[in-house]
Amino acid sequence: KAGVTQTPRYLIKTRGQQVTLSCSPISGHRSVSWYQQTPGQGLQFLFEYFSETQRNKGNFPGRFSGRQFSNSRSEMNVSTLELGDSALYLCASRTGGNTGELFFGEGSRLTVL
Amino acid sequence: GQQLNQSPQSMFIQEGEDVSMNCTSSSIFNTWLWYKQDPGEGPVLLIALYKAGELTSNGRLTAQFGITRKDSFLNISASIPSDVGIYFCAGQLGAAGNKLTFGGGTRVLVKP
Repeated sequence: KAGVTQTPRYLIKTRGQQVTLSCSPISGHRSVSWYQQTPGQGLQFLFEYFSETQRNKGNFPGRFSGRQFSNSRSEMNVSTLELGDSALYLCASRTGGNTGELFFGEGSRLTVL
Repeated sequence: GQQLNQSPQSMFIQEGEDVSMNCTSSSIFNTWLWYKQDPGEGPVLLIALYKAGELTSNGRLTAQFGITRKDSFLNISASIPSDVGIYFCAGQLGAAGNKLTFGGGTRVLVKP
């Protein structure tokens, strides 16, 4: 069974630009979560989508948004990029039921210059 | 909000040693998870715990869900060089849809 796939793996943007990251969950998983990982803040929860609806949201500004499609694939978007948005963005999927077991992708490393 | 304190922040291992790390929370969790992350990769799930007092093994790894529901520990027995990496604990309160809260990680390094 294929794992969680994230694209692109690496990208460089400049301040003020926007970026869209993509995530394909494990087949059969209906829940997709996004996390930001930085050396200083660790793993911070962004949001979770289930059946195309945002089910949970972390404490990030409105510049961070996401969506989920009917095939469970998800995208997250960051607008008006700031230097502090440089991070590894991790997508994780789970079945969507009671289990808390998240399965992570390899991440998209964003560098903002 | 919920806080997870993970310790130690880093440790050096020598091949063959047993090592342990733990996480404590300011509030209870119903699920504890342990992940390992290698450089340039996403975290990989090692062990999941669902009941207070539960002790679960995965090869040389053993983890326990604390009786108070506010802590968990992970032991690695007979460590080998590939055990190097960052280990994260994560807790989830409640059932479906609740987010995971992650500890700050324990960086495991090899003794020079």
